[in-house]
Amino acid sequence: KAGVTQTPRYLIKTRGQQVTLSCSPISGHRSVSWYQQTPGQGLQFLFEYFSETQRNKGNFPGRFSGRQFSNSRSEMNVSTLELGDSALYLCASSLEAGGNSPLHFGNGTRLTVT
Amino acid sequence: DQQVKQNSPSLSVQEGRISILNCDYTNSMFDYFLWYKKYPAEGPTFLISISSIKDKNEDGRFTVFLNKSAKHLSLHIVPSQPGDSAVYFCAATFNQAGTALIFGKGTTLSVSS
Repeated sequence: KAGVTQTPRYLIKTRGQQVTLSCSPISGHRSVSWYQQTPGQGLQFLFEYFSETQRNKGNFPGRFSGRQFSNSRSEMNVSTLELGDSALYLCASSLEAGGNSPLHFGNGTRLTVT
Repeated sequence: DQQVKQNSPSLSVQEGRISILNCDYTNSMFDYFLWYKKYPAEGPTFLISISSIKDKNEDGRFTVFLNKSAKHLSLHIVPSQPGDSAVYFCAATFNQAGTALIFGKGTTLSVSS
């Protein structure tokens, strides 16, 4: 069974631009979550989608948004990029939406904002 | 305010010995705890979990212990192998939070042969 696939692996953007990251979950998984990893803050929860609905959102500004499609694939968008948005963005999928369903992570998209 | 803390940034152990990774938490609402392992350039990989109704869970070489009164959990790896060298993250959540995990900042384990 294929794992969680994230594209692209690397991105370089300029301040003020916007970016869209893509995630394909494990087949059959209906929940997709997004996390940001930085050296200073570690892994931080961005948001979770289940059956095309956002179920939960972390403490990030409105510039960070996402969506989920009917095939469970998800995209994450960051608008008006800032230098501090440089990070590894990780997508994770799980069978169910509960906390007891372990997350399976992709290898991430490394975003660099210059 | 860090709700999940891994106070040791690194740990070095010899092959064959026991590795003990520690994690403390502050939020008594947490009812499910997980450990993830991360190699460079890869996403975290789920290792083992424990519900707050238990105090121990084993899976092969990995055992997680939970001490609710101390708000402390630990991951024991016995015996340690060089392939276990990675960053280990402790994470916690509560039922209503869905898949929103609160992660510690990680402990880098180095197992030497």
